[in-house]
Amino acid sequence: EVQLVQSGAEVKKPGESLKISCKGSGYSFTSYWIGWVRQMPGKGLEWMGIIYPGDSETRYSPSFQGQVTISADKSISTAYLQWSSLKASDTAMYFCARPLDGRDGSGEYLYKYWGQGTLVTVSS
Amino acid sequence: DIVMTQSPDSLAVSLGERATINCKSSQSVLYSSNNKNYLTWYQQKPGQPPKVVIYWASTRESGVPDRFSGSGSGTDFTLTISSLQAEDVAVYYCQQYYNTPVTFGQGTRLEIK
Repeated sequence: EVQLVQSGAEVKKPGESLKISCKGSGYSFTSYWIGWVRQMPGKGLEWMGIIYPGDSETRYSPSFQGQVTISADKSISTAYLQWSSLKASDTAMYFCARPLDGRDGSGEYLYKYWGQGTLVTVSS
Repeated sequence: DIVMTQSPDSLAVSLGERATINCKSSQSVLYSSNNKNYLTWYQQKPGQPPKVVIYWASTRESGVPDRFSGSGSGTDFTLTISSLQAEDVAVYYCQQYYNTPVTFGQGTRLEIK
């Protein structure tokens, strides 16, 4: 069974750094992109970017380029999303997701499996 | 970027009645080499991650009731729930997976009238 398990909720102050995680199991972690999706309170879904753990190829949405860093440690089947200096506007639920197909497959950006979400609250 | 626009933003339908949600993309998401529309519909209930209900514009995900159907091609798509049940109350999103950046519609909130 494919599972994505995310790290727990975080409460941080503006200017602090943060790294949240997403651990995959039940499949070959290195063979599928992992994507990150933001959902601000009461708002819609925003695609942030993706990483291919097999070779660490990373792509970012222009809206998030330079604002966050996506990484992965394939030895422990875990992807990460990190901020170097949080802002109040980073308060949101963050989901990781795995697509239907592996890289270059037709469904490589179709998100069939989702983590439970990590709530990040940034407040002074 | 491909812009996805849903209509309406919210919808109230009586139990047992039909619900229809539309999604329009700013450019075609039909890939000519395989004749597939790279369009999916998600259902999101409060406190839960999104769940695929329809993909390739018209393929129902395993386990999804057959009252859910998807149609359309190119730039115009529709999600239809033929007979609304109480458990269908949710926000529905369309998403194109034709290219990156992947983009979502703004969501349609479906409620019981």
